[in-house]
Amino acid sequence: EIVMTQSPATLSVSPGERATLSCRASQTFSSNLAWYQHKPGQPPRLLIYGAATRVTGIPARFSGSGSGTDFTLTISSLQSEDVAVYYCQQYNNWPWTFGQGTKVEIK
Amino acid sequence: EVQLLESGGDLVQPGGSLRLSCAASGFTFSNFAMIWVRLAPGKGLEWVSAISGRGDTTYYADSVKGRFTISRDNSVDTVFLEMNSLRVDDTAVYFCAKGPLSYPSYCYLDHWGQGTQVVVSS
Repeated sequence: EIVMTQSPATLSVSPGERATLSCRASQTFSSNLAWYQHKPGQPPRLLIYGAATRVTGIPARFSGSGSGTDFTLTISSLQSEDVAVYYCQQYNNWPWTFGQGTKVEIK
Repeated sequence: EVQLLESGGDLVQPGGSLRLSCAASGFTFSNFAMIWVRLAPGKGLEWVSAISGRGDTTYYADSVKGRFTISRDNSVDTVFLEMNSLRVDDTAVYFCAKGPLSYPSYCYLDHWGQGTQVVVSS
């Protein structure tokens, strides 16, 4: 099983500043990685798949990058509505596995 | 618009059974894999099970293998999760989600339902 490790556990960022979320895999793979945003009381929402492909309708301030074992989700200018828990997920090998999440909050 | 509506969550005693349902609309149901994912209190998301569009391929997490059964009825656009021998650590919100392809390989989750709460407690 591929273990996905996200860091930091909590990220406090001022409005308008950049937020950088990390996701590290225990085994290397190419680009079968997705990012989700989860707000309380709502279903998770797919933001990014294929490590870097943004879903239609997702604001351009969200971007994904990386391959191998190291992946990054960047929010270029944090907005109040971006407060949520963000999860990465690998879908290269079954069982698909999620990271434990990074909670993004406003400083 | 894709919509997924879960139901069937409840409070059940350890060792008991539940059947979750997820009614889908807004897409050609039989063309897509469907997946169950859960979120336990204080924990992260966990894949539970997945089924292909035709229902001929299924996957299970080791933690539920032999206890849970995923199935689907394409005539009524619904996917099910039959849960037996429930344990306290099965307590979670169970989400139904849709995959981007017919087979649950290389599968991310492009749409999610609101979830249904399962509590296993004596």
